[in-house]
Amino acid sequence: NAGVIQTPRHKVTGKGQEATLWCEPISGHSAVFWYRQTIVQGLEFLTYFRNQAPIDDSGMPKERFSAQMPNQSHSTLKIQSTQPQDSAVYLCASSLFGQSSYEQYFGPGTRLTVL
Amino acid sequence: QQKVQQSPESLSVPEGGMASLNCTSSDRNFQYFWWYRQHSGEGPKALMSIFSDGDKKEGRFTAHLNKASLHVSLHIRDSQPSDSALYFCAAPGDNYAQGLTFGLGTRVSVFP
Repeated sequence: NAGVIQTPRHKVTGKGQEATLWCEPISGHSAVFWYRQTIVQGLEFLTYFRNQAPIDDSGMPKERFSAQMPNQSHSTLKIQSTQPQDSAVYLCASSLFGQSSYEQYFGPGTRLTVL
Repeated sequence: QQKVQQSPESLSVPEGGMASLNCTSSDRNFQYFWWYRQHSGEGPKALMSIFSDGDKKEGRFTAHLNKASLHVSLHIRDSQPSDSALYFCAAPGDNYAQGLTFGLGTRVSVFP
């Protein structure tokens, strides 16, 4: 079991460019979560899918951020017109079921740097 | 204001010593907690969850929950250099089908 896979591990974009981050959850897990980690804000919940359906995107910035899960083996987080304040580590996690009583398994993260 | 507050921000512990970490919630909807640990360059990894009042022990790690005061602690016995990491307390959102709310973390350094 390779765990949750995130690609790329590092991404550098120029201000105004688009960034797409990929996540492959653990096989058999029905829930996928996206978080953002910064020194100042810590770990912030962004969005959550269960059985590929979007369930909760209450943490997503309303503009420029979108997430999809086109099939059970991968999810993407897309940031349009990236800004320096989007620089962070973006973490994907999966769990067997969607309830928060089940352990979330995190990937290593994608470090996004916006110049 | 953070809904989950952790203290201290950082902690230095001698190898073989005891580390004690604290976490308090300001939201009475948070009825149970997770402890996660994150080593540099890696994603967080779950240590344990605690749902009931009292102690829960897993190896060298013991969590204690007091629901009335919304306080949970984590104690690491016989600390090892590999325990040097960022420790997070996390609680569920307003309902169970939601992402976790994390504290800002406690950085633990174990020195020889």
